[in-house]
Amino acid sequence: GENVEQHPSTLSVQEGDSAVIKCTYSDSASNYFPWYKQELGKGPQLIIDIRSNVGEKKDQRIAVTLNKTAKHFSLHITETQPEDSAVYFCAASAYSGGGADGLTFGKGTHLIIQP
Amino acid sequence: GAVVSQHPSWVICKSGTSVKIECRSLDFQATTMFWYRQFPKQSLMLMATSNEGSKATYEQGVEKDKFLINHASLTLSTLTVTSAHPEDSSFYICSASWTGGNQPQHFGDGTRLSIL
Repeated sequence: GENVEQHPSTLSVQEGDSAVIKCTYSDSASNYFPWYKQELGKGPQLIIDIRSNVGEKKDQRIAVTLNKTAKHFSLHITETQPEDSAVYFCAASAYSGGGADGLTFGKGTHLIIQP
Repeated sequence: GAVVSQHPSWVICKSGTSVKIECRSLDFQATTMFWYRQFPKQSLMLMATSNEGSKATYEQGVEKDKFLINHASLTLSTLTVTSAHPEDSSFYICSASWTGGNQPQHFGDGTRLSIL
């Protein structure tokens, strides 16, 4: 089955600086890679996703890059703000013609934005 | 759009009780719903995949007789934890994916289950 590794487990950055979280996956059949933000006591919120036919995707201060050859994808947050503090999870799954597959999650990164 | 509602948000009950958790997609039809379990400060682990009108598919190690899943309509799936014991205490989260496949999963806010 799929295995997703995520680093670092904790990341502390100064407000206004950039944050980068990295993930690797093991199953070459995986073709969908979402990133979720989870605040305390809440469910995960989808912030950005990328499919295997694209190398990079950007949405305002958030970007994701994907290297299929290396089985590696990363989340980049620029101009960090205090409200970006949360736990971030990467995930992977393999969509087939039949429909959605369950997600395999990384262990999460606790992002702390220092004022 | 893509709102998933989960109820209850928090439940405390005695050992041996059965607990039902509801997951509803409020503004879209969800062919597929998923149930995950999350222990404190840990990641989400997929328990089962539920397709409307079909039996759920359980991940290895998840007892289907312990965790009963029903997905009777395109907007509602339920998870029943039968004869719950303290080790079943956890954060249970559902997600739903739009009809048609190849769509993102949107998560509910979870149910914190505490078994005394």
